[in-house]
Amino acid sequence: DGGITQSPKYLFRKEGQNVTLSCEQNLNHDAMYWYRQDPGQGLRLIYYSQIVNDFQKGDIAEGYSVSREKKESFPLTVTSAQKNPTAFYLCASSPDHSGANVLTFGAGSRLTVL
Amino acid sequence: GNSVTQMEGPVTLSEEAFLTINCTYTATGYPSLFWYVQYPGEGLQLLLKATKADDKGSNKGFEATYRKETTSFHLEKGSVQVSDSAVYFCALRGFGNEKLTFGTGTRLTIIP
Repeated sequence: DGGITQSPKYLFRKEGQNVTLSCEQNLNHDAMYWYRQDPGQGLRLIYYSQIVNDFQKGDIAEGYSVSREKKESFPLTVTSAQKNPTAFYLCASSPDHSGANVLTFGAGSRLTVL
Repeated sequence: GNSVTQMEGPVTLSEEAFLTINCTYTATGYPSLFWYVQYPGEGLQLLLKATKADDKGSNKGFEATYRKETTSFHLEKGSVQVSDSAVYFCALRGFGNEKLTFGTGTRLTIIP
């Protein structure tokens, strides 16, 4: 079955460490997204990519980095510059960036900074 | 810019009660509108969508109608079940705009 796989499901990090969250999709989708979810704030867009080797900042990109070297993969690195990284991170994809297309989400990765 | 305003939760209802979760939006042009549902510990799943004015999206007994005159997309269900307990997100995506804008989510709890 096609879908999005995020790993790890749970991750603990010490302050000052970089961590990378994996996102892989086998849906042959062009567009991929990273969202951050905090209680009471809904989802906020971190980065998105419409095509391989291209990505754009979302609303809260500071302290994060991404790469899109392969169509199926869009890893997110949470750097030590991110001041409040504890959150639930969701990866999503869609066939392209047009408005009517539905986003398919992964199951999420919960990052806790100790 | 685009924005979505959702009814604040949490909402607690008894089984078989009628559900309404309000959602209004601000956007230029003609956005597509969505309701997503998130079950505990999981990612989001599409519940229903509508892509033009007066369209009605429906799925699993839930319905929402795209009302351009009131810029609303309220979610309704006639008889809720315990299994409907989840967080519900209203969202919009502008035409030609790759960004999906979410509301803050409404936590729904159904008690037997």
